[in-house]
Amino acid sequence: GAVVSQHPSRVICKSGTSVKIECRSLDFQATTMFWYRQFPKQSLMLMATSNEGSKATYEQGVEKDKFLINHASLTLSTLTVTSAHPEDSSFYICSARDSAGVRGGGELFFGEGSRLTVL
Amino acid sequence: RKEVEQDPGPFNVPEGATVAFNCTYSNSASQSFFWYRQDCRKEPKLLMSVYSSGNEDGRFTAQLNRASQYISLLIRDSKLSDSATYLCVVDGGFKTIFGAGTRLFVKA
Repeated sequence: GAVVSQHPSRVICKSGTSVKIECRSLDFQATTMFWYRQFPKQSLMLMATSNEGSKATYEQGVEKDKFLINHASLTLSTLTVTSAHPEDSSFYICSARDSAGVRGGGELFFGEGSRLTVL
Repeated sequence: RKEVEQDPGPFNVPEGATVAFNCTYSNSASQSFFWYRQDCRKEPKLLMSVYSSGNEDGRFTAQLNRASQYISLLIRDSKLSDSATYLCVVDGGFKTIFGAGTRLFVKA
């Protein structure tokens, strides 16, 4: 079964609204989680690294004020797309690894992904 | 130069064929290496880790060459179900970089 749960799997919203996506590690603790974006027929692009209890680290070109990341606990990271626009429509995926190194031996576990459509 | 580069695709092969994917990485301090498989509109799933000694899992063989900063994936006796995008993943501990992916189409 899934070890990283992502919710919602699909969301449609109006332009200008904000959308929150949750990423949970179900049976392990993750001090670090990763958020990616994937446009159709393109590769997975790392947006930011979410760090528990501290600020996220954003990749070059990713607007930190637009993509708010909060990693309030060892099992939950959230990505909020603020003032969403049609060009933000994409497949957003999170991943996490077991900080203790027990689950998976370093393997990255991925959420199921969230498909965002901004009208 | 991209941090992780993969063979351009797509690869179109008949069932039963052997196909090889290559991947190079630029950061010599990279620690872990993986091949992931991604089906259309789904999340990536781990196919196999790549070890310095090389490793095999059924029809799949992965190899790592640290000196040349190169990893490979060999698929033998291709099945229709192998059709997917294969992602080379390089992990430096604090940052994980994905290759652009190589698309494989296996045809009957």
